[in-house]
Amino acid sequence: EVQLVESGGGLVQPGGSLRLSCAASGFTFSSYWMSWVRQAPGKGLEWVANIKQDGSDKYYVDSVKGRFTISRDNAKNSLYLQMNSLRAEDTAVYYCAREDSMYFDYWGQGTLVTVSS
Amino acid sequence: SYELTQPPSVSVSPGQTASITCSGDELGDKYACWYQQKPGQSPVLVIYQDSKRPSGIPERFSGSNSGNTATLTISGTQAMDEADYYCQAWDNSPVFGGGTKLTVL
Repeated sequence: EVQLVESGGGLVQPGGSLRLSCAASGFTFSSYWMSWVRQAPGKGLEWVANIKQDGSDKYYVDSVKGRFTISRDNAKNSLYLQMNSLRAEDTAVYYCAREDSMYFDYWGQGTLVTVSS
Repeated sequence: SYELTQPPSVSVSPGQTASITCSGDELGDKYACWYQQKPGQSPVLVIYQDSKRPSGIPERFSGSNSGNTATLTISGTQAMDEADYYCQAWDNSPVFGGGTKLTVL
């Protein structure tokens, strides 16, 4: 059974940093692109970043470029999102999602990030 | 940047057919997919590559995509289908529609 379990969310002040983790199991993690998708409270879904199977290619939505860094450790079956210079508008539930041919076939339960003073 | 437009809300009576549209420039030239999200839960893929259903998704869910519009159709809508539905396509990067709240009443 495919499982994606996020962790690392919490309350952080504006300008602060947070590192999200996603533990994957039930599939060959190193064979898939992986993404982070977020959802602000009461709002829709927004793709944030993705990373190639071997970590050699990474892409970001414009609003997080230069502030967020996606990475992965295939030996640990884990995906990460380092978030720096956080803003109030980054407040959201962050989902880890597996990519398959331009769609997301499995999602984690999400972790809430709240940026507030 | 590429945009996908969905109606904010759609209402349907139990047992009737619900149609949710997703509009985007030349969307028919891309693959569209659909996610269902119930309150407090993660999104679930219900249609991919325009019209394919993942394992475990009921046959009452179907999809089509042509021209500038993709459509999610739910036949014989049940109360359990009440949820938010999001379309998604790919234009250099993943793009989501704004979501449609389906009410079954």
